[in-house]
Amino acid sequence: DPKIIQKPKYLVAVTGSEKILICEQYLGHNAMYWYRQSAKKPLEFMFSYSYQKLMDNQTASSRFQPQSSKKNHLDLQITALKPDDSATYFCASSQENAEQFFGPGTRLTVL
Amino acid sequence: GEQVEQRPPHLSVREGDSAVITCTYTDPNSYYFFWYKQEPGASLQLLMKVFSSTEINEGQGFTVLLNKKDKRLSLNLTAAHPGDSAAYFCAVSFINYGNEKITFGAGTKLTIKP
Repeated sequence: DPKIIQKPKYLVAVTGSEKILICEQYLGHNAMYWYRQSAKKPLEFMFSYSYQKLMDNQTASSRFQPQSSKKNHLDLQITALKPDDSATYFCASSQENAEQFFGPGTRLTVL
Repeated sequence: GEQVEQRPPHLSVREGDSAVITCTYTDPNSYYFFWYKQEPGASLQLLMKVFSSTEINEGQGFTVLLNKKDKRLSLNLTAAHPGDSAAYFCAVSFINYGNEKITFGAGTKLTIKP
């Protein structure tokens, strides 16, 4: 059974629209993260959460908003989508002082 | 903050040859080090985690060397085979203002030629 679930696997959106990327982890971890991967940047850290609290935000744009409704959930809301937002978005989780495990990713295409 | 430099960005070797990927980092207080493998179209998969001052860890078909004195981490794939074709990322864990952070290298795209 997959331990980190990301939904959807593929997502196509139009410019200006809003989408939510879902991430759930069943590893019992306290920390969760979002990364973005595109042709321009191999792996770009976006956010980290620990015990549902924002710990680090390296995303310049406020169009990206993480949402943690439960300890094992960290969704990513993206508003006013732009073609440059096209990328694969990876969710990851970890226990303290331990390695991060990555989800399968959501491939977002903005037309 | 921590800076992690990974070299080379692209590497092509023949099947059976060895391949070496190196990362250097700047924070001397870094304490956990990781290597991840990402096959085409797939997610990142943890290869190995190391944390001693100077350590050689051997996995299936690869060796990881950590030299904290030189702040250098390397991944050596011995006798490369087609299944090793992938992107490889190093990652370094450190404490920043009381919070644990991990910085990833920019990745190395490894191609194994027959």
